Amino acid sequence: NAGVMQNPRHLVRRRGQEARLRCSPMKGHSHVYWYRQLPEEGLKFMVYLQKENIIDESGMPKERFSAEFPKEGPSILRIQQVVRGDSAAYFCASSPGGQNYGYTFGSGTRLTVV
Amino acid sequence: SQQGEEDPQALSIQEGENATMNCSYKTSINNLQWYRQNSGRGLVHLILIRSNEREKHSGRLRVTLDTSKKSSSLLITASRAADTASYFCATDAYNTRNNDMRFGAGTRLTVKP
Repeated sequence: NAGVMQNPRHLVRRRGQEARLRCSPMKGHSHVYWYRQLPEEGLKFMVYLQKENIIDESGMPKERFSAEFPKEGPSILRIQQVVRGDSAAYFCASSPGGQNYGYTFGSGTRLTVV
Repeated sequence: SQQGEEDPQALSIQEGENATMNCSYKTSINNLQWYRQNSGRGLVHLILIRSNEREKHSGRLRVTLDTSKKSSSLLITASRAADTASYFCATDAYNTRNNDMRFGAGTRLTVKP
C-alpha cells in the first residue's frame, strides 16, 4: 500500500513559467491537503480538497495559484507565472476524513524558481 | 487564525535524557496532533489526542493536553540520536466543519550521542 506520492521531487522553473505539482493520496483516502514550507519554518496551510471539490482554500494566494482534485487522477497544485518568492517545499497530505485520523504526508516537491 | 505554537524553538540534549516540547493554541479544538519531520523529508504522524483526552502514550512518547490552558506537551523519554528532528503540533478548528489542520513553526530537537 503505497503512501502519498508526490512528483516531481525537485522542480526548477524560470520566472514567468508555470509549475505543476502532483499528489496521489494513499489508497482509500479521499481528502487532500496542500502545505507550503519555507526553510527553517513551519507548514503553511494552502488548500483542502475532496474529490472534485475545494473545501477550504483560505491559505491560497488569490492570484496565480490554483488546485484541483479531479474524479480520476492525482491532485494538482498549479502555480502560474512563477516568481522567486514561490521557491519553497510544497507538501501534500491525505486522510480518510473525519476528526479521528492523522495525516499521511508525501515527501514533498521542492520548487526552485531561477 | 487557529495555529499551534511550539516552545522552545530549539532544544539540545544528551542521548538518554528526556525531551519536553510544548504547544499552545488559541481557540477550541476537536483534536491536537504531533508530527515529526526529519531534515528534507515529509512529516510523520506521531500521536493524535482528542479534546476529551488528557494523556496519551505511544512507546517512548507521552502527550498531554490541557484544554483549560489551551496547551499540550510532548515528552520523549530516553532520547536517542535518531530522535533528532523537528517536531510540530497541529490543531483543527472546533467551530468549523472542516478538519484541515494548522501547524506551528516547530521545535528543532538535537540529541547528541
